[in-house]
Amino acid sequence: DAGVIQSPRHEVTEMGQEVTLRCKPISGHNSLFWYRQTMMRGLELLIYFNNNVPIDDSGMPEDRFSAKMPNASFSTLKIQPSEPRDSAVYFCASSFGQGGYGYTFGSGTRLTVV
Amino acid sequence: AQRVTQPEKLLSVFKGAPVELKCNYSYSGSPELFWYVQYSRQRLQLLLRHISRESIKGFTADLNKGETSFHLKKPFAQEEDSAMYYCALRFNAGNNRKLIWGLGTSLAVNP
Repeated sequence: DAGVIQSPRHEVTEMGQEVTLRCKPISGHNSLFWYRQTMMRGLELLIYFNNNVPIDDSGMPEDRFSAKMPNASFSTLKIQPSEPRDSAVYFCASSFGQGGYGYTFGSGTRLTVV
Repeated sequence: AQRVTQPEKLLSVFKGAPVELKCNYSYSGSPELFWYVQYSRQRLQLLLRHISRESIKGFTADLNKGETSFHLKKPFAQEEDSAMYYCALRFNAGNNRKLIWGLGTSLAVNP
């Protein structure tokens, strides 16, 4: 298995543009997590899905952020419109069950909004 | 409220010295705790789970319920241990089993 695959690896966009981040979890994993990492705030859970259903989206900053998981092998995180303060590294992680054996993280998407 | 505290943002030691990265938690239930590591420009990866009571790369961590701590220890630090270390607590509320994360400790092992 290639692990958790995220795309793109880097994204530079202008303020106000729509940004879509993509994640393919490990096959057989049924929980998927979106995180944002910044120097100031560390790792923040944005949303997590179990069996494609959102379980906890309390970390989604505001209505500009949305996430979907249309099937077990794909998820997107969308920011519309993007703002400079959204600049961060966005990680996707997946786990079997609800993470008792640990999460497998993707390589992240480094987003820069100018 | 559930919380994980890593009191040190940065810890600097010399190669061969013992290292202890502190983690304290607050949680009313039975805790499940983890340590994750992130080497420079790499993805986060699981280092230890408290329930498996294992030693990985020479690191160990013991859950102390009395002190509500899960400190990560290694008797002799190596330069390749330099990384960001995160302590995490698994939340347990019905169907919600998310991780609560500390802010991380950056470990620098100097030659």
